[in-house]
Amino acid sequence: QKEVEQNSGPLSVPEGAIASLNCTYSDRGSQSFFWYRQYSGKSPELIMFIYSNGDKEDGRFTAQLNKASQYVSLLIRDSQPSDSATYLCAVNILSNSGYALNFGKGTSLLVTP
Amino acid sequence: AAGVIQSPRHLIKEKRETATLKCYPIPRHDTVYWYQQGPGQDPQFLISFYEKMQSDKGSIPDRFSAQQFSDYHSELNMSSLELGDSALYFCASSLGLLAGRETQYFGPGTRLLVL
Repeated sequence: QKEVEQNSGPLSVPEGAIASLNCTYSDRGSQSFFWYRQYSGKSPELIMFIYSNGDKEDGRFTAQLNKASQYVSLLIRDSQPSDSATYLCAVNILSNSGYALNFGKGTSLLVTP
Repeated sequence: AAGVIQSPRHLIKEKRETATLKCYPIPRHDTVYWYQQGPGQDPQFLISFYEKMQSDKGSIPDRFSAQQFSDYHSELNMSSLELGDSALYFCASSLGLLAGRETQYFGPGTRLLVL
């Protein structure tokens, strides 16, 4: 069973709107949460990480974490066509040797002009 | 800022041939991860190394092996290549395995095509 769940989408939003991407995880021991953006054929690019409950803002991006609900989200304000990509949620898990990241399957976002 | 370097960027091989992919982590990063990503798939974790020792193993086929060298670069060796091995192979590096140091930064990837 995949430990990090994301809606595969595609999520379609008009330009200028707020895009909301969601992720749930199963390991209550997870402490670090990451959002990566991946354009087709390119490598994942780190957008944000969040460790504490609540919101963390960086420019047009806001990450939200609710550990009690095991839920992390990414809001993209004023969405642009260039934001069209797959967004990967990653959660740290304790493996044999230390912490590693467990990735969700990603949500495809399409921002239409 | 220096990033993860992977070589080659593109590779074409025949079935049953071997391939070697190289990864040079960000300076001071001692942990390297390898991922395989097929078309339309999420990255699948293959194997990782910390301080030149294997730290974790994912869905890496027995035909593949990897190691991390004294300068922290890593090589993924793939033998008896099959058509299904055609994919993007990403390397990522991090500062370590402690909580807060495990943020992974990805290289540009190697696109492998097996004919």
